Amino acid sequence: GEDVEQSLFLSVREGDSSVINCTYTDSSSTYLYWYKQEPGAGLQLLTYIFSNMDMKQDQRLTVLLNKKDKHLSLRIADTQTGDSAIYFCADSNYQLIWGAGTKLIIKP
Amino acid sequence: DVKVTQSSRYLVKRTGEKVFLECVQDMDHENMFWYRQDPGLGLRLIYFSYDVKMKEKGDIPEGYSVSREKKERFSLILESASTNQTSMYLCASSQGGESGANVLTFGAGSRLTVL
Repeated sequence: GEDVEQSLFLSVREGDSSVINCTYTDSSSTYLYWYKQEPGAGLQLLTYIFSNMDMKQDQRLTVLLNKKDKHLSLRIADTQTGDSAIYFCADSNYQLIWGAGTKLIIKP
Repeated sequence: DVKVTQSSRYLVKRTGEKVFLECVQDMDHENMFWYRQDPGLGLRLIYFSYDVKMKEKGDIPEGYSVSREKKERFSLILESASTNQTSMYLCASSQGGESGANVLTFGAGSRLTVL
């Protein structure tokens, strides 16, 4: 079946940029998503990108999509302690396929 | 503020007990979902529903059933809880329609421990 893969952990220093990567296998994906889960909470949508786009920017967040390599990334500029969370990548054609989540750890 | 509300945040049950997890959404969404979340495994879809009284199996339906008698409410039932069902359960909803992004709104989760 289709798969979405991401690293389980990423550690960055406060103030640096964080780049969370994701690869997927479904070449028919129409939308790709980034969700954020803060401790003790459900997931909330951060952003999504349509598959015919290669970049989307929203304030501190930049999403890059390389459709040829089936690679999606989320860049968070000027990472703050409030960005500590688990970040999930997901793709969709009919149903959502989820990655395992990347836990972002912020070092002071 | 639109919401998906899961009535129980934490439950502790014994093996063999029947467990009900309730989820209510106030956005008039067509679609509702139950996922379980386990560390390192991400979200796995248990069941989903596209309409009242309608349900479809997800990737891991074994040991679970669901009920959707009203549009706003989607219940997950564990007929006979087992220790391997200890997990975080997440309910979500989304607007229907075949085009456009499939954006889910999630509840805060129900952490179930089966002893």
